[in-house]
Amino acid sequence: EIVMTQSPATLSVFPGERVTVSCRASQSVYDKLAWYQQKPGQAPRLLISTASSRATDIPARFSGNGFGTEFTLTISSLQSEDLGVYYCQQYRHWPLSWSFGQGTKVELK
Amino acid sequence: QDQVVPSGAEVKEPGASVKVACKASGYTFTRYGFSWVRQAPGQGLEWVGWISCYNGDTNYAQKFQGRVTLTTDSSTTTAYMDLRSLRSDDTAVYYCARVELGQMLPDYWGQGTLVTVSS
Repeated sequence: EIVMTQSPATLSVFPGERVTVSCRASQSVYDKLAWYQQKPGQAPRLLISTASSRATDIPARFSGNGFGTEFTLTISSLQSEDLGVYYCQQYRHWPLSWSFGQGTKVELK
Repeated sequence: QDQVVPSGAEVKEPGASVKVACKASGYTFTRYGFSWVRQAPGQGLEWVGWISCYNGDTNYAQKFQGRVTLTTDSSTTTAYMDLRSLRSDDTAVYYCARVELGQMLPDYWGQGTLVTVSS
């Protein structure tokens, strides 16, 4: 199974700062990489699919990059509503399988 | 209006089994599948497995092979996750996430069912 490794575990940032979260796959996942945001008590919310495509209604300050085994999620200017935990996820079609990174908590400094 | 409603919270003793349900409505059940994802308190997301609501095809994460069974009932448009030999570290919120057949990512997440394993 493909193991996803995220870094860092926690990011403490000021509002307006640029945020970068990294995700590494144990083997190539090509562009089959998604990013989610999760807030306390809520289900995850899809931000990015196919490594760099923003999901519907996701603000342009969120962007994704990468291919193969190395990926990044960037928030260009952190807003207070962006606080939460971010997960990367690899996905494969048939049979459908997923695996998640361990998460990166974004908090205010 | 599409809806996926999870069953209520469960408390189980170690060694027991639990069956969590997700009741679907407002859409064609057999055009989708469900992935099940769990999240232990304060921990990350962990994929359990996937089932097709069209033909019952399944795929399980290696960690849960032999201990989990995913099923569906088209007559009641309900998906089920049956987890056996429960341990305290199975305490988690269990989510069902709807995935359209042919797609790989979910378009709808249930609100989750808390399963607590405690003696």
